[in-house]
Amino acid sequence: AQRVTQPEKLLSVFKGAPVELKCNYSYSGSPELFWYVQYSRQRLQLLLRHISRESIKGFTADLNKGETSFHLKKPFAQEEDSAMYYCALSPQGGSEKLVFGKGTKLTVNP
Amino acid sequence: GAGVSQSPRYKVAKRGQDVALRCDPISGHVSLFWYQQALGQGPEFLTYFQNEAQLDKSGLPSDRFFAERPEGSVSTLKIQRTQQEDSAVYLCASSSVGGANTEAFFGQGTRLTVV
Repeated sequence: AQRVTQPEKLLSVFKGAPVELKCNYSYSGSPELFWYVQYSRQRLQLLLRHISRESIKGFTADLNKGETSFHLKKPFAQEEDSAMYYCALSPQGGSEKLVFGKGTKLTVNP
Repeated sequence: GAGVSQSPRYKVAKRGQDVALRCDPISGHVSLFWYQQALGQGPEFLTYFQNEAQLDKSGLPSDRFFAERPEGSVSTLKIQRTQQEDSAVYLCASSSVGGANTEAFFGQGTRLTVV
């Protein structure tokens, strides 16, 4: 079964502190992993995907196949990073049929 | 406005009523998806179209749910005899062509409340 687990429903950090949003997945094949973000009153949008190995808005995520994890990290959190973050898996290796986690609400305090 | 557009933004339906939710994808996008997002949950896949062909409807929760995309652009998600458990945000997303580098663009969603 394909499943994405985000163990933290809420995460609160202070501005300038490092932040890590956890994501674990279960899938027998080679999935593609994504992080989507939803800022207040905005639509869900792609933040980054593991295949592109980019750093977006200072965020990075490394796929660890041994631990089946795809944690999202940023060394110095900013207030504008406050949002809902969803980890997602695509079993077919593209963007079809995304399987989402339940999301983590990140609050960055001043 | 070149993004994915959904209407209505909000819909209140009485239990047993039929509803129709509309999605206008980004022009030229081949793939179209519907997701259901219950309160406090992540989006859950409902169905997927490539052009007018419905290639996957494995996520539709019951035969009360029906989706169509007759001309390969606009799509409608219809829910018959709505129940309280159908209350959720319904998200539509589109992408150009499937593949590892394809990004799905989401609409703002339709919030359905069944009373």
